[in-house]
Amino acid sequence: GQSLEQPSEVTAVEGAIVQINCTYQTSGFYGLSWYQQHDGGAPTFLSYNALDGLEETGRFSSFLSRSDSYGYLLLQELQMKDSASYFCAVRDNYGQNFVFGPGTRLSVLP
Amino acid sequence: DGGITQSPKYLFRKEGQNVTLSCEQNLNHDAMYWYRQDPGQGLRLIYYSQIVNDFQKGDIAEGYSVSREKKESFPLTVTSAQKNPTAFYLCASSIQRDTQYFGPGTRLTVL
Repeated sequence: GQSLEQPSEVTAVEGAIVQINCTYQTSGFYGLSWYQQHDGGAPTFLSYNALDGLEETGRFSSFLSRSDSYGYLLLQELQMKDSASYFCAVRDNYGQNFVFGPGTRLSVLP
Repeated sequence: DGGITQSPKYLFRKEGQNVTLSCEQNLNHDAMYWYRQDPGQGLRLIYYSQIVNDFQKGDIAEGYSVSREKKESFPLTVTSAQKNPTAFYLCASSIQRDTQYFGPGTRLTVL
């Protein structure tokens, strides 16, 4: 089976940098994804890592270390609109479906 | 516009009733998924379908049923056997195995 762990809450101020960690236990690994969900809304895809290293997309970057079963999402130049829940997810069952972490609630303060 | 639609946005169910949640996509995606989300929690997989006329149970399939008669449609029925159905239900589809696209969700409340 698969299991993922994330911090439940993170708080930071506008303009700061924040890192949200994700550790996973899997019977097979097909990649780590990150999703953002605002209150009452649907999750939206942010990034995906299949190989070790850093992927950068604007203010957001995602990192993966397969040997450590660990990844993180890095958010730079935080804005109030970044206040949301962030989920990591891995593919399961020979890549047929996804398993989501419990989510990290990010609060950005003025 | 391409995307995933879910209806209704809000749904109220009486005890003992079956209700069906709609999910339609015009993205030409083969795979579709149903998730349940409880307040402050992550997403739990109910059912998924990789191809028309085929679907598989997820982690919490008991009390739910689905069909996949068309590529574009993947309706979810919440049966009376589901004892605690109040939750936010999300439908998703994917064509690449690294990305899922979600619908806006249906919020189901049991009266």
